[in-house]
Amino acid sequence: GAVVSQHPSRVICKSGTSVKIECRSLDFQATTMFWYRQFPKQSLMLMATSNEGSKATYEQGVEKDKFLINHASLTLSTLTVTSAHPEDSSFYICSARGGGGANTGELFFGEGSRLTVL
Amino acid sequence: GNSVTQMEGPVTLSEEAFLTINCTYTATGYPSLFWYVQYPGEGLQLLLKATKADDKGSNKGFEATYRKETTSFHLEKGSVQVSDSAVYFCALSDQGNTPLVFGKGTRLSVIA
Repeated sequence: GAVVSQHPSRVICKSGTSVKIECRSLDFQATTMFWYRQFPKQSLMLMATSNEGSKATYEQGVEKDKFLINHASLTLSTLTVTSAHPEDSSFYICSARGGGGANTGELFFGEGSRLTVL
Repeated sequence: GNSVTQMEGPVTLSEEAFLTINCTYTATGYPSLFWYVQYPGEGLQLLLKATKADDKGSNKGFEATYRKETTSFHLEKGSVQVSDSAVYFCALSDQGNTPLVFGKGTRLSVIA
């Protein structure tokens, strides 16, 4: 299947700093990527839809100025958590469709990035 | 709108026990249905899928059948192993480039 890779897998930062998480589609082009946040009780929340070459579409309640998404190429989307606070600590997961997934609706997921804000 | 409801966990089973995790959905049209698995500390992996009514998805001993009449996609495995301990997510997708709609996940713990 298609491969989606995230980096870093774990990051610890101080409160007030910004953190960038990269999501790459390794063997396919993804015009659209999706960013999810996973809360401690495991539920997945869709944060935003990242569109190559245009602005991301954010879900209701997600602060676009805090969670900056850039989709500069067909293989790379980045999520930047700006001025991070402890409540932003979470597991962030990106996903994309590629290849056969585009026909069946299947999403391929990155490994996830665990953010801890001290 | 579309939604997925799956049984609340956690589910704790002994090794070799039979597993069922219930999943029902609400959708307009004819969605594709998926089960994803998340092992501790990892991202989500596709476990199996079905794209039309009466299709059966299967992988690693897990099975689920797309039942349109009951709007269900229950996950089953005849004999679980300790290595099956993970969180299982049921999900659906409309046609087109839309995000998946996930259930809340069911944590499975298998003890030896």
